[in-house]
Formats: sequence, structure tokens, C-alpha cells
Amino acid sequence: EIVLTQSPATLSLSPGERATFSCRASQSVSNYLAWYQQKPGQAPRLLIYEASNRATGIPARFRGSGSGTDFTLTISSLEPEDFAVYYCQQRRKWVTFGGGTKVEIK
Amino acid sequence: EVQLVETGGGLIQPGGSLRLSCAASGFTVSNIYMAWVRQAPGKGLECVSVLYTGETTHYADSVKGRFTISRDSSKNTLYLQMNSLRAEDTAVYYCARDLSGIWYFDLWGRGTLVTVSS
Repeated sequence: EIVLTQSPATLSLSPGERATFSCRASQSVSNYLAWYQQKPGQAPRLLIYEASNRATGIPARFRGSGSGTDFTLTISSLEPEDFAVYYCQQRRKWVTFGGGTKVEIK
Repeated sequence: EVQLVETGGGLIQPGGSLRLSCAASGFTVSNIYMAWVRQAPGKGLECVSVLYTGETTHYADSVKGRFTISRDSSKNTLYLQMNSLRAEDTAVYYCARDLSGIWYFDLWGRGTLVTVSS
């Protein structure tokens, strides 16, 4: 099983700041990685697929990068609605998710 | 409106069975990949089953032999039959669509809570 490790577990930032967080795979997943956003009580929403492609309707402030085992999601300037939990997911072998990074208001 | 609506969750004793349903609207569940993803309380996400086109299925090791995914195209509904339930199956179960067929989930339901407890 491919294990995805996300860091940090929690990120405390203010609106307008830049958010950067990481997803590391236990073995190479090529670029077969997605990012999801989940708000309390809601289902996850697909943000990024194939490491760097924004899903339909996702604002340009969300940017994914990386390949192999190391990936990054960057939110260039946090909007109030961006405070949520973010999960990475790989599809290289079956489907597994990372443990999540919570972006909270500082 | 394009949406997925899960039903069928509830409180069930260990060893019991439950069938979850996921009604789709705005698109058809036949000929696309559909999946069930669960989230234990306060935990992350786990994909438990995928139904491919042609009725091929795949299961996580944690549920293999106990859960069965299926769909009824006439009702435009996805199902998850869960048998021999264990406490560790307690979770919110989400139905999810993989429109692209490459195992990314672009549409999710709001989920249904399954609690396995005596």
C-alpha cells in the first residue's frame, strides 16, 4: 500500500497569507496525485488532479506541484472560505489518501 | 441538478448487515466509475470499493469478502451491501463519482453515518 504523509498537521494563518503544505508518498506515484478540500460537515471537493491540473471551477489561487514522491499545494492568498482540511490522494496503486492538513484561522 | 444522495445508514450491532444506497441525479451511473469512500469519526478518508464499467469491482483489503458494491441502472442508484459489520466500520460513508475513469472523484454525496455498536 502506498502511504501518503501530509505535513504539517495544522497550519495557522491569517486571511491574505500564503499557505503551503506538503504530501509525501512512500514510493513514487509519478504525477498521479490529487488534492481535495473538506469543510466541516461537508463532502470533500476535488481541487487538483494529476498533481497540477485545477479541477473545473477551482480558482487560480490554488496551485499544485511536484512529482514522484514529493508534492505541494499552495494557496497564494487565503480567502475566508479556504479555511478547511486538505487531503492528498494517489491513484498509482489502488486509491489511498493522506491524513490531512488543517488550515485554521490564526 | 447534478448530485448524489446517500441513504441507509444507522446504528447496527456487530455482525449485522446494512445496505447503503446512493441515488444519482443529473447524470447516469452506468458506464462510469463509481466508488464508496468512508471517513471514521475524526479520521481521514478511505476508499473501500470501486465499481468500474463492465461491472468489474475492487475492494480495500479491510472490507474484502464482507462488502459488495453494485448498481441498478434502471434506478440510477449505486449500492453498498455491508455484511459482518465490525466496530471499525463505523464511519460516514460517501458515494463518489469518477467521471474521468482515472480514479479521481469529482462529485461526492453528503454522506450517511454508519455506527456499529452493541
